[in-house]
Amino acid sequence: AQSVTQLGSHVSVSEGALVLLRCNYSSSVPPYLFWYVQYPNQGLQLLLKYTTGATLVKGINGFEAEFKKSETSFHLTKPSAHMSDAAEYFCAVNFVPPPGGYNKLIFGAGTRLAVHP
Amino acid sequence: DTAVSQTPKYLVTQMGNDKSIKCEQNLGHDTMYWYKQDSKKFLKIMFSYNNKELIINETVPNRFSPKSPDKAHLNLHINSLELGDSAVYFCASSRGQGNNQPQHFGDGTRLSIL
Repeated sequence: AQSVTQLGSHVSVSEGALVLLRCNYSSSVPPYLFWYVQYPNQGLQLLLKYTTGATLVKGINGFEAEFKKSETSFHLTKPSAHMSDAAEYFCAVNFVPPPGGYNKLIFGAGTRLAVHP
Repeated sequence: DTAVSQTPKYLVTQMGNDKSIKCEQNLGHDTMYWYKQDSKKFLKIMFSYNNKELIINETVPNRFSPKSPDKAHLNLHINSLELGDSAVYFCASSRGQGNNQPQHFGDGTRLSIL
């Protein structure tokens, strides 16, 4: 069955440390992949996306993600965490072909990132 | 300028009441969505409209009725509210139905049922 999994519901890092948030999908055909961030009491903001082309994708706020087909993964990284990065991060997938034929994002369960001084 | 705006931001009401949430997007997108985020932050699509036509209905109880008067607006009416309806409801939009198109989200409507 097609699914998306985020390993680790909570991740805690020190300010300045590497951020690594994991996302794996289950699908025989590589899907379209997205990372969204949700700050407290706010909506979801698109960080980056992979649809075609270069597998290393750069997004906003210094984040990037690499699509690895062999590992069915799309992990999100940032070299140096900042206090303002504390938020909930969601990996989202649009499977190919899309179930029902339409744009239907399937979200992972989310990872809460905490950044401490 | 807010791209996807929802009103109200907070909605507190009693069980059994009927309420509506409004959504408007000024991005010129053709496709709009409603999502429900539960207390564990899990997000699930409820409905999608493309050019005012319903294209996705994810087995949502028929107490929930979306309406799209034009492609820039998608409203959600909920009848006979139940405790389990307490959640944050997000509106989103995208350019077309293509599933490579990112979706843009509003700030959400936090619905609390007493």
